[in-house]
Amino acid sequence: DTAVSQTPKYLVTQMGNDKSIKCEQNLGHDTMYWYKQDSKKFLKIMFSYNNKELIINETVPNRFSPKSPDKAHLNLHINSLELGDSAVYFCASSQDLPGTASNQPQHFGDGTRLSIL
Amino acid sequence: GEDVEQSLFLSVREGDSSVINCTYTDSSSTYLYWYKQEPGAGLQLLTYIFSNMDMKQDQRLTVLLNKKDKHLSLRIADTQTGDSAIYFCAQRASGYSTLTFGKGTMLLVSP
Repeated sequence: DTAVSQTPKYLVTQMGNDKSIKCEQNLGHDTMYWYKQDSKKFLKIMFSYNNKELIINETVPNRFSPKSPDKAHLNLHINSLELGDSAVYFCASSQDLPGTASNQPQHFGDGTRLSIL
Repeated sequence: GEDVEQSLFLSVREGDSSVINCTYTDSSSTYLYWYKQEPGAGLQLLTYIFSNMDMKQDQRLTVLLNKKDKHLSLRIADTQTGDSAIYFCAQRASGYSTLTFGKGTMLLVSP
């Protein structure tokens, strides 16, 4: 049983298009995240949601809009894709409350490899 | 600001011990994590340590934390070819749920 699942696994598209990546977790966690991993493998937080509410937005361009229809899902919509958006996008979840020092680890999905032509 | 540094590459022979090092700058870090990423795969949590501990052992893995020097290490005993992967050190600051990652150490294990 997959704990954190992302779709699609691979996404190849043209510059200027709009695309979405979906993420679902079946762990019953309250907090979900999106991370971006660039070509040099550097991982950086993009967004954090707790119980469908946006908690953290790390200076990500407005073209990126996360949406959380319920606490088990956090989707990422990207408008007007640019070459620099090519990366691997990881979804993660944890049983945390913001502002608390919890030891609950984050569980990651397998990533979505986005390539912009 | 938060910063996590790791050496980029480590090569060992099968059966040897591997030691991957990490330094961090945020003194309010409460938890420190090690994740493993195999080629084309996601991140797998290996182990973590709370900042009031100085050592944690889990089978072949030993984590050492020197809080004074803000230095964290991961030792893998009897390294196997299946351990070849990128290893990420990550810190979580007090009051925050997000992680700050290092750039990863690529471990190559040769037979």
